[in-house]
Amino acid sequence: DAKTTQPPSMDCAEGRAANLPCNHSTISGNEYVYWYRQIHSQGPQYIIHGLKNNETNEMASLIITEDRKSSTLILPHATLRDTAVYYCIVRVEETSGSRLTFGEGTQLTVNP
Amino acid sequence: KAGVTQTPRYLIKTRGQQVTLSCSPISGHRSVSWYQQTPGQGLQFLFEYFSETQRNKGNFPGRFSGRQFSNSRSEMNVSTLELGDSALYLCASSFGVTGGYTFGSGTRLTVV
Repeated sequence: DAKTTQPPSMDCAEGRAANLPCNHSTISGNEYVYWYRQIHSQGPQYIIHGLKNNETNEMASLIITEDRKSSTLILPHATLRDTAVYYCIVRVEETSGSRLTFGEGTQLTVNP
Repeated sequence: KAGVTQTPRYLIKTRGQQVTLSCSPISGHRSVSWYQQTPGQGLQFLFEYFSETQRNKGNFPGRFSGRQFSNSRSEMNVSTLELGDSALYLCASSFGVTGGYTFGSGTRLTVV
């Protein structure tokens, strides 16, 4: 699975949009981009995933650049409960099975 | 719909002992995978089971083993415990190999 690069930390004001970037310049054509988050001492929570089209669900939006070398997770109206470590993962679904390779992630702190 | 259930939540063991952790996946999910999380190494994949067969294995010594039962419940076992095995052990389940994975809250193992 391709390696990802994320900033170690970010801050966001409550109510504002949080935009979390991820670089995956070596991504292959059949690798999906996944985002998970982990609130302290809890299990990671699945947020969203996509292949090449932008995706949106009730939690967030995922914007993938046309060349697929980077993506951005957008939390449209961040709340204090969104404070967590956010992980960007790329993986080949068919061969990776459930193996998720977690990096260091981005510690997002939402401030009041 | 019940989530992924891991038992026990907390466990203290002595070096040299063995331990068995349990994971009950979401009803209908056939894939169960295990992860170890430590402050130094982060989240690392241990192994994955699908329909009672180990399908994928991470880079851990043979002291770490697991199995899956016909009802998809899974157990992992660690023999001859070492201090470095102290960690949060997380289980994740999914219906198949695609899509997001649902994690449990984990078992916090402390080896003294």
